[in-house]
Amino acid sequence: DTGVSQDPRHKITKRGQNVTFRCDPISEHNRLYWYRQTLGQGPEFLTYFQNEAQLEKSRLLSDRFSAERPKGSFSTLEIQRTEQGDSAMYLCASSLIWNRGGKQETQYFGPGTRLLVL
Amino acid sequence: AQKVTQAQTEISVVEKEDVTLDCVYETRDTTYYLFWYKQPPSGELVFLIRRNSFDEQNEISGRYSWNFQKSTSSFNFTITASQVVDSAVYFCALSEADYGGATNKLIFGTGTLLAVQP
Repeated sequence: DTGVSQDPRHKITKRGQNVTFRCDPISEHNRLYWYRQTLGQGPEFLTYFQNEAQLEKSRLLSDRFSAERPKGSFSTLEIQRTEQGDSAMYLCASSLIWNRGGKQETQYFGPGTRLLVL
Repeated sequence: AQKVTQAQTEISVVEKEDVTLDCVYETRDTTYYLFWYKQPPSGELVFLIRRNSFDEQNEISGRYSWNFQKSTSSFNFTITASQVVDSAVYFCALSEADYGGATNKLIFGTGTLLAVQP
């Protein structure tokens, strides 16, 4: 399977603990996005990378959140000192952006990591 | 500001009925992209279609069809002869086109839960 993968699929933690999620994009994709989805809502953008550069961060991404994509391949999203309000589905998506030729991108999503903070 | 509205929270139909999911968007951009994604109970967002703002042709793919009307800022999705496997949450999304014509973050509506009864 060459789709986007995420690990873990589920995470239960206690308030105040740190958690880290991993996303492996489709292998040739140079863009990687993180979204958060709460119950009954659509996904909300958190941040994205083009190769290893983090190009945009949402205001939703508080100081407790940090994302990395050190080699332009997989990415990690860390939440420090988790709060109950962090409980959500964290979705990763990847896409291929071409610098030439006018090709446009479609974001393909992984299965998500469901976080529950007790 | 960009916004996507899916006014239908839940729709219930009986198998073989046709159903239309509404999507209304707001944007100040002249170039933008519209998407539909399907989210089955497993949670993974499945890409269905992408349409750019310059292409108002309707599209049909099997039992699925899309009606894009810039005049009313709508991008509606119709499933013909619905099946139980169509049961899912469907999201409409909007993306701006940044410099170079590439899209970036997706702005999602709140989704429509479609339940197809046998």
